[in-house]
Amino acid sequence: DQQVKQNSPSLSVQEGRISILNCDYTNSMFDYFLWYKKYPAEGPTFLISISSIKDKNEDGRFTVFLNKSAKHLSLHIVPSQPGDSAVYFCAAQETGANNLFFGTGTRLTVIP
Amino acid sequence: KAGVTQTPRYLIKTRGQQVTLSCSPISGHRSVSWYQQTPGQGLQFLFEYFSETQRNKGNFPGRFSGRQFSNSRSEMNVSTLELGDSALYLCASSEGQGDGYTFGSGTRLTVV
Repeated sequence: DQQVKQNSPSLSVQEGRISILNCDYTNSMFDYFLWYKKYPAEGPTFLISISSIKDKNEDGRFTVFLNKSAKHLSLHIVPSQPGDSAVYFCAAQETGANNLFFGTGTRLTVIP
Repeated sequence: KAGVTQTPRYLIKTRGQQVTLSCSPISGHRSVSWYQQTPGQGLQFLFEYFSETQRNKGNFPGRFSGRQFSNSRSEMNVSTLELGDSALYLCASSEGQGDGYTFGSGTRLTVV
């Protein structure tokens, strides 16, 4: 049972435009959410996170929004750059837990 | 400081064989987690070790096992390999919550 879902396997965006990646979760006990970026032949690298006490967290071109009532989060990348082309994984964690639950990933392609 | 090191990078095994994968965490990190990545399934949690003790285990059959040594290095073993075990196996070390997880580049296991 997939507790974290990324329903869009791929997304293509023009350079300079906004990329919006979406993620839904089913477990109401999740209270910490993260986005990871993965290039081929490399492990995932941490991008940005958000605690459930917030609804927005921003880091440079990356902003994560959390809607707890809808059990939905999104990652906005503005402006998108060709180097952002990668697979993005959404992940969630419960307080005190020692593991992450990952979505299936969205492959972002930024077209120059 | 050195990152998370996984060996070997690539491995080809035959059905029915067993395999051992190795992970050296970042110096000072006592928690090591293992994940399996397959197409369409995202990253699935296998198990997590902390100070040589398994603290958490995912929903995988008993053929998947692991251990952690006193220097925090970890190994995972898969016995009686099946074709479906072909995947990228990722190790992550951490000091705490999700944004503290650092992943290795993974071991690509192919079972033929």
